[in-house]
Amino acid sequence: EAGVAQSPRYKIIEKRQSVAFWCNPISGHATLYWYQQILGQGPKLLIQFQNNGVVDDSQLPKDRFSAERLKGVDSTLKIQPAKLEDSAVYLCASSLNRVLYNSPLHFGNGTRLTVT
Amino acid sequence: KNQVEQSPQSLIILEGKNCTLQCNYTVSPFSNLRWYKQDTGRGPVSLTIMTFSENTKSNGRYTATLDADTKQSSLHITASQLSDSASYICVVSAGSYNTDKLIFGTGTRLQVFP
Repeated sequence: EAGVAQSPRYKIIEKRQSVAFWCNPISGHATLYWYQQILGQGPKLLIQFQNNGVVDDSQLPKDRFSAERLKGVDSTLKIQPAKLEDSAVYLCASSLNRVLYNSPLHFGNGTRLTVT
Repeated sequence: KNQVEQSPQSLIILEGKNCTLQCNYTVSPFSNLRWYKQDTGRGPVSLTIMTFSENTKSNGRYTATLDADTKQSSLHITASQLSDSASYICVVSAGSYNTDKLIFGTGTRLQVFP
């Protein structure tokens, strides 16, 4: 099966600019996650979708970050305006079912964002 | 507070040697524990998923153990290869009917030298 696809792989922007990331999960996977991974740390959940509904966005900085999952398939994550501390790798992951039920989580290779 | 701690933070071993990585957690309610391998510049890849009732699970040269009483897990790598150089992340799922969360450790960075 094809894996989780993310684009772009790299992005360099100046602070206060906007940026968008795209994710295409594995076909049929109902649950989609966006994580932020700062160098040397574990991934931090930004938002979790179940189909096209938001399950958890408690750690999403809503004043600058937004995400949507149209038709319960692809998803985009946007940052506007970007800050220096947003420099990180943004990982998208998907699972067939909720992780509560031992469903494997499949990650994309991420988008490395550098804010200058 | 739900927390996952890993040790050591980094490890250097010679090719062919064995090594063991540790994971301690305080997560409630516990659902399952996962080990992931993350190569530089790539997303994490699942190695094992263990439930409360499982003590040991293997995936090739990787063997994970779980002691639910002491809330500890280990990942043992046998006969290490250069390709084992990566970060290994312990992840615990805290779940109930209404919600489920993944608690990530900060990882152990393993370097295997020839």
